[in-house]
Amino acid sequence: NAGVTQTPKFRVLKTGQSMTLLCAQDMNHEYMYWYRQDPGMGLRLIHYSVGEGTTAKGEVPDGYNVSRLKKQNFLLGLESAAPSQTSVYFCATHTGGLGTEAFFGQGTRLTVV
Amino acid sequence: RKEVEQDPGPFNVPEGATVAFNCTYSNSASQSFFWYRQDCRKEPKLLMSVYSSGNEDGRFTAQLNRASQYISLLIRDSKLSDSATYLCVVMNNNQGGKLIFGQGTELSVKP
Repeated sequence: NAGVTQTPKFRVLKTGQSMTLLCAQDMNHEYMYWYRQDPGMGLRLIHYSVGEGTTAKGEVPDGYNVSRLKKQNFLLGLESAAPSQTSVYFCATHTGGLGTEAFFGQGTRLTVV
Repeated sequence: RKEVEQDPGPFNVPEGATVAFNCTYSNSASQSFFWYRQDCRKEPKLLMSVYSSGNEDGRFTAQLNRASQYISLLIRDSKLSDSATYLCVVMNNNQGGKLIFGQGTELSVKP
């Protein structure tokens, strides 16, 4: 039972390069989220999805795009990476039910040079 | 103003101390409330859900005051292993399911 799996776990990009982070879940959860975490900033919501085929903007969406073509996968794309996008990225999933727990992937450490 | 705000840290306490964390949220329509724990930039893990009636799990007690839009976490008899960052989390299930985190409060328990 894998739960929530993020790939890759580490990546170094050059400014201007593009990449896609994958979040895969096997818990049949409807809701999925992408966060970034920077020192002293907590987790800030980038984009989220409440079901297959739907996405919505979070607190810090600029410079990122997402897609949820299949229920189990939520992709986060950086079209033209910038040093300001150096961060740790976490994916989370949730059933959507009241008071139920959100589960997290192990994180992706991205450095943009 | 951030949607969820926590006490700034860090909190440095001796073993055995009682420590309290506070959190306020701005969206009165929020419906689900949680405390998560995060160790050394690993993924956050659920510590406890928070209910209006309050709830207790061993040395940990969480309270919710909807009128004041305030959530608290009390840790009694703190252990070295309690050292971590504690994250206040709020969700509005009816408005698209946004799950919003506070910036976290770091706790360091010293021998």
